[in-house]
Amino acid sequence: GAVVSQHPSRVICKSGTSVKIECRSLDFQATTMFWYRQFPKQSLMLMATSNEGSKATYEQGVEKDKFLINHASLTLSTLTVTSAHPEDSSFYICSTRKGEGTEAFFGQGTRLTVV
Amino acid sequence: AQKVTQAQTEISVVEKEDVTLDCVYETRDTTYYLFWYKQPPSGELVFLIRRNSFDEQNEISGRYSWNFQKSTSSFNFTITASQVVDSAVYFCALSRYTGANSKLTFGKGITLSVRP
Repeated sequence: GAVVSQHPSRVICKSGTSVKIECRSLDFQATTMFWYRQFPKQSLMLMATSNEGSKATYEQGVEKDKFLINHASLTLSTLTVTSAHPEDSSFYICSTRKGEGTEAFFGQGTRLTVV
Repeated sequence: AQKVTQAQTEISVVEKEDVTLDCVYETRDTTYYLFWYKQPPSGELVFLIRRNSFDEQNEISGRYSWNFQKSTSSFNFTITASQVVDSAVYFCALSRYTGANSKLTFGKGITLSVRP
């Protein structure tokens, strides 16, 4: 069964609104969650790394005020796209690992369309 | 810095043909992990294999096999007797060995189309 649950799977929002994406680890405690973005026909690009109880670490070029990440518990990390614009339309995927050397488990992904 | 190169962007084969997907990586680490993931049209990433840099043995799992060549920094993936259900995007990825939560660095992916 799924190890990481991500919701919603699809969302359409109006330009200027905010969208929250949730990612839950189902049977283990995820101290770290990775958030990736994937544009059509492109690879997964790491946006940020969220750590439970501390501030997220953002990759170069990713606006932390636009992509708010909260990792308030060991089983839940959220990504909020604030004041979304059409260029934010993309596929967002969360990921975590159970421990050293394990494979990365991915959520189902969220396809965001901003109109 | 870590880098993964998947030079092939799109491959099209006819069902039952064998196909090899290439992956070349760069890292300064002496120990590391390599992965292959499959991404079907639904978007969800499906784990296929993890290989640590200590283990250069080739691996076979059903119709899938992997050839790890540390000397050439390659980790190629072969599908034998391809099927239409194998149509997907395949990503090769690399992570550091130490650190429980090391991020994965992905290649650009290879779109495989298997025609009936």
